[in-house]
Amino acid sequence: GQQLNQSPQSMFIQEGEDVSMNCTSSSIFNTWLWYKQEPGEGPVLLIALYKAGELTSNGRLTAQFGITRKDSFLNISASIPSDVGIYFCAGFNYGGSQGNLIFGKGTKLSVKP
Amino acid sequence: NAGVMQNPRHLVRRRGQEARLRCSPMKGHSHVYWYRQLPEEGLKFMVYLQKENIIDESGMPKERFSAEFPKEGPSILRIQQVVRGDSAAYFCASSLDRGSEAFFGQGTRLTVV
Repeated sequence: GQQLNQSPQSMFIQEGEDVSMNCTSSSIFNTWLWYKQEPGEGPVLLIALYKAGELTSNGRLTAQFGITRKDSFLNISASIPSDVGIYFCAGFNYGGSQGNLIFGKGTKLSVKP
Repeated sequence: NAGVMQNPRHLVRRRGQEARLRCSPMKGHSHVYWYRQLPEEGLKFMVYLQKENIIDESGMPKERFSAEFPKEGPSILRIQQVVRGDSAAYFCASSLDRGSEAFFGQGTRLTVV
């Protein structure tokens, strides 16, 4: 089946540093979504991307839909302690009669004050 | 403008009992996805439904698990004859259209004793 490879698996950074994480796939995706999940909660949608090459920002977060449609990255600038959590990429490929939203394995972010 | 509602938030079942997990999508959303998550792991796709139809159930175990999304009422994920290995957090998400932004509920934490 389709696989999303998300890296890095975890990051330990100092408050104020910038963060970058990415997702790659062997398949083409039509939609890329980035989520953040905190313990005991459901994933919260951060950014949605729908077009190849699209670059979208949400506050200190910036995400891009790769030109090849097989990858996406998420950047967080000037990290703060409340950025701690697990970040997931998700891709939707709705070609044909099937299609579902599949997830990467997540990037666990720890921020040291 | 309520978000995705899942209930119950916590469910305890004895081995062999049935578990019924409910998901009410956001208003106007007709696409529902179900995921399973084990502690410290990612979200594993189970099933994708669009009002009264199962679009993709490639992630559903062949036995004991079923899902429905009737014309009226919430989507239901049903697990028959639960076993300890079914203990996990189950999340649902809904979207307006195929491939558009998907929003998650708070999840149901199932514990099988």
